[in-house]
Amino acid sequence: EPEVTQTPSHQVTQMGQEVILRCVPISNHLYFYWYRQILGQKVEFLVSFYNNEISEKSEIFDDQFSVERPDGSNFTLKIRSTKLEDSAMYFCASNRAGATDTQYFGPGTRLTVL
Amino acid sequence: AQSVTQLGSHVSVSEGALVLLRCNYSSSVPPYLFWYVQYPNQGLQLLLKYTSAATLVKGINGFEAEFKKSETSFHLTKPSAHMSDAAEYFCAVSDRQGAQKLVFGQGTRLTINP
Repeated sequence: EPEVTQTPSHQVTQMGQEVILRCVPISNHLYFYWYRQILGQKVEFLVSFYNNEISEKSEIFDDQFSVERPDGSNFTLKIRSTKLEDSAMYFCASNRAGATDTQYFGPGTRLTVL
Repeated sequence: AQSVTQLGSHVSVSEGALVLLRCNYSSSVPPYLFWYVQYPNQGLQLLLKYTSAATLVKGINGFEAEFKKSETSFHLTKPSAHMSDAAEYFCAVSDRQGAQKLVFGQGTRLTINP
């Protein structure tokens, strides 16, 4: 069964450093998403991406964040200058189309900012 | 804006007992509703979803949920708990337009006692 994959599973970085989190969505999916979950808190939407552009973003997704689909398979989330409060589990998700279509989630990348 | 409230951050039941996880939503438009499960160190897996067909929705692993518009609820139930049901459960709402982002509740950790 196809699945969403994410790398790395755990990323440790120093405050102020740039990080890139990578995701490979399911191959025939058209919509891509990033969510994050700070330890002990709810899963929060960050951004959605369709047709090579951002379709919606949350207040969390400020100028320090960017997303890219550099080729036909990868979907990346970049944080330019990490802060301590960026420490969280970051989930990538994808679906084919439509609000009724299930979003399939990857296993997540745990980002720790020191 | 849409929101989800899950009553009870932690629910504990005995093996074989009824599982009831509560979810109430707020939405200005008829919503799509989802229950996801998260096992330790794994991503989110869809249990079931409501997309305006039958109000009683059956999902995987014996779970079901009933959409009650008058109560703005979408509670998750399972007649007989199994040890393998121990996990974190998230209720989520999605609107019918735009990029269909998911808005999650804070989650309920289900513990099964032998």
